[in-house]
Amino acid sequence: GNSVTQMEGPVTLSEEAFLTINCTYTATGYPSLFWYVQYPGEGLQLLLKATKADDKGSNKGFEATYRKETTSFHLEKGSVQVSDSAVYFCALMINAGGTSYGKLTFGQGTILTVHP
Amino acid sequence: ETGVTQTPRHLVMGMTNKKSLKCEQHLGHNAMYWYKQSAKKPLELMFVYNFKEQTENNSVPSRFSPECPNSSHLFLHLHTLQPEDSALYLCASSQDLGARQKLFFGSGTQLSVL
Repeated sequence: GNSVTQMEGPVTLSEEAFLTINCTYTATGYPSLFWYVQYPGEGLQLLLKATKADDKGSNKGFEATYRKETTSFHLEKGSVQVSDSAVYFCALMINAGGTSYGKLTFGQGTILTVHP
Repeated sequence: ETGVTQTPRHLVMGMTNKKSLKCEQHLGHNAMYWYKQSAKKPLELMFVYNFKEQTENNSVPSRFSPECPNSSHLFLHLHTLQPEDSALYLCASSQDLGARQKLFFGSGTQLSVL
């Protein structure tokens, strides 16, 4: 089956620190990979995505590279801000030949808290 | 604001109550989804609708009953729930089904079953 494993949280950092949230996956097919972010009191928003091996997704200073050889999609940011405090979800969707039903498989989420 | 609106934001109900969750999108999307977010567990897909037709029921108990009267509205009817059903229920939509689709999520309904 398909599964996504994220590093255990919560993660607590000081402002301007470097962030890494690890994500690894297992998939029966060839997946697209996503990072979603959930700010307090809000729904999930797509942060970035990558659809094939070696692609790098980036948005708002966050980056993640699709590593097929290590089945990983680690999220990184060089300098975090207080406003980045949120829950981050790694997810995959199989690129089936036909429809994939939008069936995202999510990791359990990692809580990030950034202090001033 | 993602364009997907869920009501109510919070709901407390007893195990014998009947209630409904509502989701509305005016993004012109054809596919809509219900997800369940429980504490310390991965997000779980519950139902998928495409052009008002249910295309996926992810082994959800019958005490959860979805309804999709049109492509813009999605309901989740609840009856005789259990305390373990307490969770955040998220609605999402996408332009179509298929790989690489971007999902737009609502803010969710926080459900507490007493």
